[in-house]
Amino acid sequence: DTEVTQTPKHLVMGMTNKKSLKCEQHMGHRAMYWYKQKAKKPPELMFVYSYEKLSINESVPSRFSPECPNSSLLNLHLHALQPEDSALYLCASSQDPDLSLIPKYNEQFFGPGTRLTVL
Amino acid sequence: ILNVEQSPQSLHVQEGDSTNFTCSFPSSNFYALHWYRWETAKSPEALFVMTLNGDEKKKGRISATLNTKEGYSYLYIKGSQPEDSATYLCAPHGQGGSEKLVFGKGTKLTVNP
Repeated sequence: DTEVTQTPKHLVMGMTNKKSLKCEQHMGHRAMYWYKQKAKKPPELMFVYSYEKLSINESVPSRFSPECPNSSLLNLHLHALQPEDSALYLCASSQDPDLSLIPKYNEQFFGPGTRLTVL
Repeated sequence: ILNVEQSPQSLHVQEGDSTNFTCSFPSSNFYALHWYRWETAKSPEALFVMTLNGDEKKKGRISATLNTKEGYSYLYIKGSQPEDSATYLCAPHGQGGSEKLVFGKGTKLTVNP
């Protein structure tokens, strides 16, 4: 299985809602990533988990709360979002954080994304 | 590595044309360069990882070259086909943040049949 899956594909939520985005991979990868991508802009890194521990937080507002319950799963909990948070949220994984300085092992495998709309 | 430029922003070619586009990045602190292909409604897909100055990689009709001294990489597509239509992203990778890629804005390629 060489796939990263994300659910849901689309999500519409109000500013007072609480929702979660889910990401799953079964490639044995030990690094997982959340990116945010707005129209006509490149994906921007939000969080990195290495060996189920948060290793990078790119100064993301606390209304986004990541969670890595095990090595295959990555969640992004959403609460009190703003309309400007509407975007495509991409999950990715890579093989081994300890080998991440070897470019081959730094290759990131992406999911198809969740299209989030905040009303 | 924060300043990644890709040009052109978009490109329309006819089926059968060969084309190329550019990724520019600061040459200091360079470690590796990733190229990704992103079709609409699909996941970004890794094409190449390049590290050495003068590197050339090839995958079917797509190839890429790397010049780390002057800070650029070219992606070439020979005999473009409609299925090559996608956004091509480059992501240089510095020696600093080991897990972090910074993506360029991409070149959106449309191949008309």
